[in-house]
Amino acid sequence: DIQMTQSPSSLSASVGDRVTITCRASQSISSFLNWYQQKPGKAPELLIYAASSLQSGVPSRFSGGGSGTDFTLTISSLQSEDFATYYCQQSYSTPWTFGQGTKVEIK
Amino acid sequence: QLQLQESGPGLVKPSETLSLTCTVSGGSISSSSYYWGWIRQPPGKGLEWIGSIYYSGSTSYNPSLESRVTISVDTSKNQFSLKLTSVTAADTAVYYCVRRRVTATGMFNYYYMDVWGKGTTVTVSS
Repeated sequence: DIQMTQSPSSLSASVGDRVTITCRASQSISSFLNWYQQKPGKAPELLIYAASSLQSGVPSRFSGGGSGTDFTLTISSLQSEDFATYYCQQSYSTPWTFGQGTKVEIK
Repeated sequence: QLQLQESGPGLVKPSETLSLTCTVSGGSISSSSYYWGWIRQPPGKGLEWIGSIYYSGSTSYNPSLESRVTISVDTSKNQFSLKLTSVTAADTAVYYCVRRRVTATGMFNYYYMDVWGKGTTVTVSS
């Protein structure tokens, strides 16, 4: 199985901050990388697919980058509704696997 | 707008079979563009992919669960289902049904879960 490791596991930030979350794959996965946002008690929602493609309806302050083994999710200016847990997920090979999550909290 | 809704017992006894159904509304499960699947999340933990099915019945399972999992589809009811046998407390989780979409760009097909159900909590306990 491909292992996905996110860093940091949690972070504290203020509204308006630029936030970057990193995801590393245990082997090269090209651009087969997706990002999801999950709020407490809710289902995850797709933010980014194919490493850098923004899902329809997702604000443009979210962006994704990287290829191979190293990827980033960046929120250019954190808003109050962005406080949540973020997961990366590889779709290079089954079983699809997720990172352990990064919780973004209010400073 | 496509919606997914999980249904099934919220409490299952150890060693018994967990059975859940996902009802698809606002679209057809028989679309050639999508796969359908299940993902679970134990309390306070991360996400685990269980498996996927195509409307034709073709399946793919997580090897860690494959010996206990069956996913099936009923196109006449626009539903797909999950069965997990011989459950233990470790199977306690929120279970989500999802739609897996593909976007083809050049020589690559990119897969991602773009629609999720709200999730249903299943507790394994006697």
